[in-house]
Amino acid sequence: DTGVSQNPRHKITKRGQNVTFRCDPISEHNRLYWYRQTLGQGPEFLTYFQNEAQLEKSRLLSDRFSAERPKGSFSTLEIQRTEQGDSAMYLCASSFQGRDSRANYGYTFGSGTRLTVV
Amino acid sequence: AQRVTQPEKLLSVFKGAPVELKCNYSYSGSPELFWYVQYSRQRLQLLLRHISRESIKGFTADLNKGETSFHLKKPFAQEEDSAMYYCALNRGSYIPTFGRGTSLIVHP
Repeated sequence: DTGVSQNPRHKITKRGQNVTFRCDPISEHNRLYWYRQTLGQGPEFLTYFQNEAQLEKSRLLSDRFSAERPKGSFSTLEIQRTEQGDSAMYLCASSFQGRDSRANYGYTFGSGTRLTVV
Repeated sequence: AQRVTQPEKLLSVFKGAPVELKCNYSYSGSPELFWYVQYSRQRLQLLLRHISRESIKGFTADLNKGETSFHLKKPFAQEEDSAMYYCALNRGSYIPTFGRGTSLIVHP
């Protein structure tokens, strides 16, 4: 297992097009998170899954955004009708969350997908 | 609402000097705090978490609930410490809220 993998690394798209990103988490991890990071800011939470269930979505996640994790393994993040404001680095992270709160050892991040909307 | 504040965008020191990267938080519950680091062209990675009370690469951080702070310290900075450092607060459901980050530059 080589950690959290994200594809593609870079995506340039025209405004109005749809894009889809993929994240492959660490196989033993039951949680998967999507974050967005813009220049000069820290990562901002978008949504997360516990196994295949999407348990929370941020207000940042407009109706044009949808995320899935159909089999509790990899996840996809789709942005429809992209806008220039969607340009950002999209980060995926995974973790194992046990019943004991101390079992959360922090998150493993992927390298991200850099989206540029022109 | 939970919030993480890193007041310095940039911290520039010389090799061997002490380093302190500031982090203040606001959270009504019992906080769980982390420091993450991102070296040039590498992915974001966990540096340390307050609950472990550990020292990683010479860095330590103590949770001060009275001052709502979790500052990251190292007594003698090294050039390889140059990186972006993010303080993060785990709110409910163990979802981290990140600060905007501090860029540490260690000059030779």
